[in-house]
Amino acid sequence: DAGVIQSPRHEVTEMGQEVTLRCKPISGHDYLFWYRQTMMRGLELLIYFNNNVPIDDSGMPEDRFSAKMPNASFSTLKIQPSEPRDSAVYFCASSRDSYEQYFGPGTRLTVT
Amino acid sequence: TQLLEQSPQFLSIQEGENLTVYCNSSSVFSSLQWYRQEPGEGPVLLVTVVTGGEVKKLKRLTFQFGDARKDSSLHITAAQPGDTGLYLCAGEDTNAGKSTFGDGTTLTVKP
Repeated sequence: DAGVIQSPRHEVTEMGQEVTLRCKPISGHDYLFWYRQTMMRGLELLIYFNNNVPIDDSGMPEDRFSAKMPNASFSTLKIQPSEPRDSAVYFCASSRDSYEQYFGPGTRLTVT
Repeated sequence: TQLLEQSPQFLSIQEGENLTVYCNSSSVFSSLQWYRQEPGEGPVLLVTVVTGGEVKKLKRLTFQFGDARKDSSLHITAAQPGDTGLYLCAGEDTNAGKSTFGDGTTLTVKP
């Protein structure tokens, strides 16, 4: 298996622009998680899905953030409009059982 | 929200030394996972412990789950530079249906 695939690996954008991060989970995994990692705040759970349905989005910072999972093999995390404080590494992870998680390589987002 | 505290936050040692890092909580977890994250990559799952008092070994790494399932430790014997990375523990919160991650221990092993 190819593992969790994320794209792009790096994204540099200007404040106010829309950013879309993409994730392809491991086939057969029913859970998909979006995390944000920064030096100051560590690894933060933003939202997670079970069988394509959002279960807990309490970690989404504000309305500028949205996530979708239109099918079992694809999810997106969108930030609109982006702000400099959104700069971080964003990880997608998938799991069969919600706790043993397999992480993608991450997307490093820089908002100038 | 169940909280996990990891200690020490940073650890720098010489190759060949032994070390132990800790993951503590006041809450009981159904299971606990340890991950290692190398710079520029995502965390990689190392092990899951489920039973109180359980000990698992992965080559030079020994993982222990506390009897009350509130804490865990990771012991590395004869550390090597390849062990360098961020070690994260995560507790399964069955009530919330998700895992809680600690802030991690950053380990540097100098050759």
